[in-house]
Amino acid sequence: SQTIHQWPATLVQPVGSPLSLECTVEGTSNPNLYWYRQAAGRGLQLLFYSVGIGQISSEVPQNLSASRPQDRQFILSSKKLLLSDSGFYLCAWSVGRPGTQYFGPGTRLLVL
Amino acid sequence: GNSVTQMEGPVTLSEEAFLTINCTYTATGYPSLFWYVQYPGEGLQLLLKATKADDKGSNKGFEATYRKETTSFHLEKGSVQVSDSAVYFCALSDRSTGNQFYFGTGTSLTVIP
Repeated sequence: SQTIHQWPATLVQPVGSPLSLECTVEGTSNPNLYWYRQAAGRGLQLLFYSVGIGQISSEVPQNLSASRPQDRQFILSSKKLLLSDSGFYLCAWSVGRPGTQYFGPGTRLLVL
Repeated sequence: GNSVTQMEGPVTLSEEAFLTINCTYTATGYPSLFWYVQYPGEGLQLLLKATKADDKGSNKGFEATYRKETTSFHLEKGSVQVSDSAVYFCALSDRSTGNQFYFGTGTSLTVIP
């Protein structure tokens, strides 16, 4: 069966520090991968999605970036965090077009 | 374009009450429709889905019917439990627009004993 992992589960970072969040999927090949952000009490905002290694589509211009160095690995990064980057970051995967999206457990980021 | 509109929350119900959470959609093609549930501090879990008109998705006592004529996919449960307290998201995906999902803003449900 397929599983999706995210880490860390919780992160507290100072403003201006770098960020790296990792997402990995097991049990499937060539998944579509997604990064979402959920601000407190808000809905989901799609940040990036990827249909293959090295292929990244950005939905919202901001100080975040994403990379997909391996088929089942998706990384969300920032060089300098802003207060507004605080939120709950969710990774998801799907197969097919369109396929059901399955979500990871999320990373809660607090920027102070 | 594609979009999903779901009823504003929060919704508070007593245990064993009937639940309806409204969801309507706009789509350019022939979408698949989904309900996801998010328990506190967790990621989203797929609750049910329907891929074509008149399909009924069901799971854990929840049901939703894909109504093309009213562009709706309302979530219902006959008797809610305290453990159903969560945020519920309606979503659609449309083959014509590739791999993206379109989510509603979520409806928070609290069930009190």
